[in-house]
Amino acid sequence: EAGVAQSPRYKIIEKRQSVAFWCNPISGHATLYWYQQILGQGPKLLIQFQNNGVVDDSQLPKDRFSAERLKGVDSTLKIQPAKLEDSAVYLCASSVGLAGGPPRETQYFGPGTRLLVL
Amino acid sequence: AQSVTQLDSQVPVFEEAPVELRCNYSSSVSVYLFWYVQYPNQGLQLLLKYLSGSTLVKGINGFEAEFNKSQTSFHLRKPSVHISDTAEYFCAVTPTGFQKLVFGTGTRLLVSP
Repeated sequence: EAGVAQSPRYKIIEKRQSVAFWCNPISGHATLYWYQQILGQGPKLLIQFQNNGVVDDSQLPKDRFSAERLKGVDSTLKIQPAKLEDSAVYLCASSVGLAGGPPRETQYFGPGTRLLVL
Repeated sequence: AQSVTQLDSQVPVFEEAPVELRCNYSSSVSVYLFWYVQYPNQGLQLLLKYLSGSTLVKGINGFEAEFNKSQTSFHLRKPSVHISDTAEYFCAVTPTGFQKLVFGTGTRLLVSP
């Protein structure tokens, strides 16, 4: 079974530029998560999708971050414009997403995209 | 609000020695508890989780954890570590009925020969 795929693996940009990350979850997984992991910290949830609907985006900086999952499969996360403090690893994860399931379900993580903003 | 405290940022240990990684949480409601491991340049992988039932949970790679409700702890243990266990370990909590997983800051386990 293929795991969660993410691209690119590394990205270096200058502040005020825009950047986009792509995630393809495990086939059949209804729930998709985007996390931000700053060096020395644990992952922080940015946004959670159930199919193509948003379940939680309370920690997404909506003035510069956006995410979509149009067909309920793959997803993109965009930052525009980027700031220095956005330097982090962006992790995508997915879970089966049964009704009432996500709090209990195992999340499967991709390898992450390491972003450096100069 | 829920929070997770991992008391040790780094734990050095010799190969074949036992290890305990400490995790305490704060929550006013019942919780589910998880331990994830992150190897260098990789995503996180589930080691084990506590949902209900027996407070002693066994996971992959010989790890186990014990849920202690009175002490609000979920410490991770392994009786004999290997070099390959060198990684970052994250404790995480989610309150039952909620969606969001809250992670601790991680403990780096360094196993040397």
